[in-house]
Amino acid sequence: QKEVEQNSGPLSVPEGAIASLNCTYSDRVSQSFFWYRQYSGKSPELIMSIYSNGDKEDGRFTAQLNKASQYVSLLIRDSQPSDSATYLCAVKGRGNKLVFGAGTILRVKS
Amino acid sequence: EPEVTQTPSHQVTQMGQEVILRCVPISNHLYFYWYRQILGQKVEFLVSFYNNEISEKSEIFDDQFSVERPDGSNFTLKIRSTKLEDSAMYFCASSWDGRSGANVLTFGAGSRLTVL
Repeated sequence: QKEVEQNSGPLSVPEGAIASLNCTYSDRVSQSFFWYRQYSGKSPELIMSIYSNGDKEDGRFTAQLNKASQYVSLLIRDSQPSDSATYLCAVKGRGNKLVFGAGTILRVKS
Repeated sequence: EPEVTQTPSHQVTQMGQEVILRCVPISNHLYFYWYRQILGQKVEFLVSFYNNEISEKSEIFDDQFSVERPDGSNFTLKIRSTKLEDSAMYFCASSWDGRSGANVLTFGAGSRLTVL
């Protein structure tokens, strides 16, 4: 079983729509969850972190966490072409490392 | 805004050669990491470093790899005898606190290693 799983996509949404990205993780003791954005050939860039069950909003981004279901999601409202990238879910597992999922490719069509 | 600096941005080497990738973490950060990403694949953890010693390493980080903090600012990754499969983007990252849940990693721009 993969530690962090994401649909590879691509997820295509029209400009202005809501993009919904999902992630599941296997280690129940995980406490910290992160969404990074990665443009092609670039390094991961932190978008959101979430540590408690529920929703956390930051501008157009909302992260949702459900520890009972071991599920994390990221909503992007009013999607823009510049949001087109690979979105990486990362989980802080045992120890101090982050474990990344394979990422979901998002394409926002203008 | 503080950033993690990596050099070189791209290195081409022959199989069997030694390579050193360099990183300057954010100055007040205490935890340092190396990750790698083979083209088209996911970001994989290699090693974490704290208080001048390795705190955790993955199965990928075998005897061919080593890390060092030679002075107060640099953090290096050495690959002793490169193999074709070492070709990847190597990312250095640092964080202020590796122990708490709020362990936010900041990544450098990466060093692309091509082994011929």
